[in-house]
Amino acid sequence: QITLKESGPTLVKPTQALTLTCTFSGFSLSTSGEGVGWIRQPPGKALEWLALIFWDDDKRYSPSLQSRLTVTKDTSKNQVVLRMTNMDPVDTATYYCAHRRRSSGTTLDYWGQGTLVTVSS
Amino acid sequence: DIQMTQSPSTLSASVGDRVTITCRASQSISSWLAWYQQKPGKAPKLLIYKASNLERGVPSRFSGSGSGTEFTLTISSLQPDDFATYYCQQYNSYSVTFGGGTKVEIK
Repeated sequence: QITLKESGPTLVKPTQALTLTCTFSGFSLSTSGEGVGWIRQPPGKALEWLALIFWDDDKRYSPSLQSRLTVTKDTSKNQVVLRMTNMDPVDTATYYCAHRRRSSGTTLDYWGQGTLVTVSS
Repeated sequence: DIQMTQSPSTLSASVGDRVTITCRASQSISSWLAWYQQKPGKAPKLLIYKASNLERGVPSRFSGSGSGTEFTLTISSLQPDDFATYYCQQYNSYSVTFGGGTKVEIK
C-alpha cells in the first residue's frame, strides 16, 4: 500500500524560501523506475506541475519555475524535499506530492493529501 | 512547453447523461495522457492512464480515447458521485502539463 504525506510550514513570508517534505511508504526511491512528483493548486484554480525526481536522481522541473525550485531525495528516510525560493503571494496554494507509476510515463497514481501554504506578510 | 487545452471548462449535466470532455495538446504526445477526477478539498484521483487504460477500481462507465493531439474522456451514464472536476495531464519526455480542468455540475 503506497502512501504519501506532505509536511512543512503553513505560512511563509514574501521573499522567504519554502521547504516541503514528502514522506512516503510502500515503495523505495532506490528501486529502478520509481519517481515522486510535486504539484500545486492555487485556491479555486487548476493543477500545476512543479517537479519530478527519479530513482537515479534524475530531476525535471517546470520550465516556468525552474530557477526557483530544487528537489532532493533521502532514500534512507523515504523522503523527498522540495525547496522553492523567493516566495510570493501568488505562490499560495495546496502543494501535493505524488507517486509516479513505473513503466507508465509519468502517471501519478497515488497522491498525498496536500498541504496548504499561504504566502503573506 | 506542451500546452493542454480542455473543453468545456464547465459542463452541466443530469444523472444518466453521457458526458464527453475533450483535451487537446499543442503538439503530439502519442498516447501519454492521463485523466484525473478531483472533488473539493481532496487530492486528484487517477482514472485513466496512457490515454485509454482504466485504472484498477475505477467504474467501467469511464473511458478514454485518442492519440496524438486530441483526447476524450467519456462517462457513459453520469452518476451522482461523478460530479467533480476533471483534469487531463500529458507526460512527454518527463515534462508534465495539466489541462485547465472541466467542472461537471448538476443540471
